[in-house]
Amino acid sequence: NAGVTQTPKFQVLKTGQSMTLQCAQDMNHEYMSWYRQDPGMGLRLIHYSVGAGITDQGEVPNGYNVSRSTTEDFPLRLLSAAPSQTSVYFCATTVREGLGEQYFGPGTRLTVT
Amino acid sequence: EDQVTQSPEALRLQEGESSSLNCSYTVSGLRGLFWYRQDPGKGPEFLFTLYSAGEEKEKERLKATLTKKESFLHITAPKPEDSATYLCAVQGPRYSSASKIIFGSGTRLSIRP
Repeated sequence: NAGVTQTPKFQVLKTGQSMTLQCAQDMNHEYMSWYRQDPGMGLRLIHYSVGAGITDQGEVPNGYNVSRSTTEDFPLRLLSAAPSQTSVYFCATTVREGLGEQYFGPGTRLTVT
Repeated sequence: EDQVTQSPEALRLQEGESSSLNCSYTVSGLRGLFWYRQDPGKGPEFLFTLYSAGEEKEKERLKATLTKKESFLHITAPKPEDSATYLCAVQGPRYSSASKIIFGSGTRLSIRP
């Protein structure tokens, strides 16, 4: 039982490049979300999903896309990377929306030059 | 605007020296207040959920309390392994603008042997 896994752990991109951050969970949780964490700003919600086929925007969605074709996977796509997207990205899951007990992945540290 | 403010930003204590961390919030119709622990380079780890004023939860040397405007995380006789960043988060009513979980920027706690 791996819980929540994220790949890659580290990534360096050039401005304008695109990439996908992977998130997978084996807990059969309905709710999955993506956060970014920047120094002094706390965790900010990017996108979330309440179940397969359903996604919605969080607080800072611009420049990111998501899809949820299966319960297990929730990839985050950066369409055209910008230096402002340099951050640590965390994926989180919970049994269903409304429960604050979220399980977080280990994070992806992204640098955009 | 819904907000979560944590204080102090950083706290250094001697081993065994008890203290409290503060989380003040402004959200109408609080659905839940959550405390997480985050170690360097890792994702947050869930500690407690509090639902209503007057509620208390305990885990080892940690006790979380909740009033209508703030929550405290009391640390009794801390040990060096309690060193971490402690995050507070709140969630407002379902189907409102505050329904998504909002995190504070955290308190960085350091315990010296």
